Amino acid sequence: QVQLQESGPGLVKPSETLTLTCTVSGGSITRYVWNWIRQSPGKGLEWIGYIYHRETINYNFDFRSRVTISADTSRNQFSLKLTSVTAADTAIYYCARSPRDQQEWAYFFDFWGRGTLVTVSS
Amino acid sequence: DIPLTQSPSTLSASVGDRVTITCRASQSISNWLAWYQQKPGKAPKLLIYKASNLESGVSSRFSGSGSETEFTLTINSLQPDDFATYYCQHYNSYPWTFGQGTKVEIK
Repeated sequence: QVQLQESGPGLVKPSETLTLTCTVSGGSITRYVWNWIRQSPGKGLEWIGYIYHRETINYNFDFRSRVTISADTSRNQFSLKLTSVTAADTAIYYCARSPRDQQEWAYFFDFWGRGTLVTVSS
Repeated sequence: DIPLTQSPSTLSASVGDRVTITCRASQSISNWLAWYQQKPGKAPKLLIYKASNLESGVSSRFSGSGSETEFTLTINSLQPDDFATYYCQHYNSYPWTFGQGTKVEIK
């Protein structure tokens, strides 16, 4: 059974960089698509971007100028960096898997982490 | 972006009821639509993918239908565990987007 766990600071100051890591167990991140999604009361659920087979990366263009997703296959982890954060980036951040390697165009989310709350405040 | 609009936003129902939630896309998304259930403090849980395919392990009381721009999630014989918020999500073209959610409450 695939399990995902987000980790990172729960509090980030405005204008700084938010960095989160998702550790995956029960499966290799060299397969499937690995996503970051966030949820806030104001904007609901938002897909941020994904990394696929370590090198194919797609971002939601709403975040494109500020976001970087990368993978460390030796640790079976992938990461999110979001720069120049503001209070609007306060949200629960989830990592999630899309089973793209099992099905054609399978960009839904079948396994999720429990989520981590990140608050942007000075 | 392809916005998704869910209706209703809130739905009051009783145990044993059949409930239907609608998700409308602003343009055709073929059948690239998923449905999720979310309970307070938990991550969303996948129920349906590709509009009508039931995820493994999900109760057959859940079913999905629709194509192009209009989709429905139906819950037959509502159970106490089904009171939650439900979201649709499309994956037709970037960026993937979610509906705003439908909260199913106890009447």
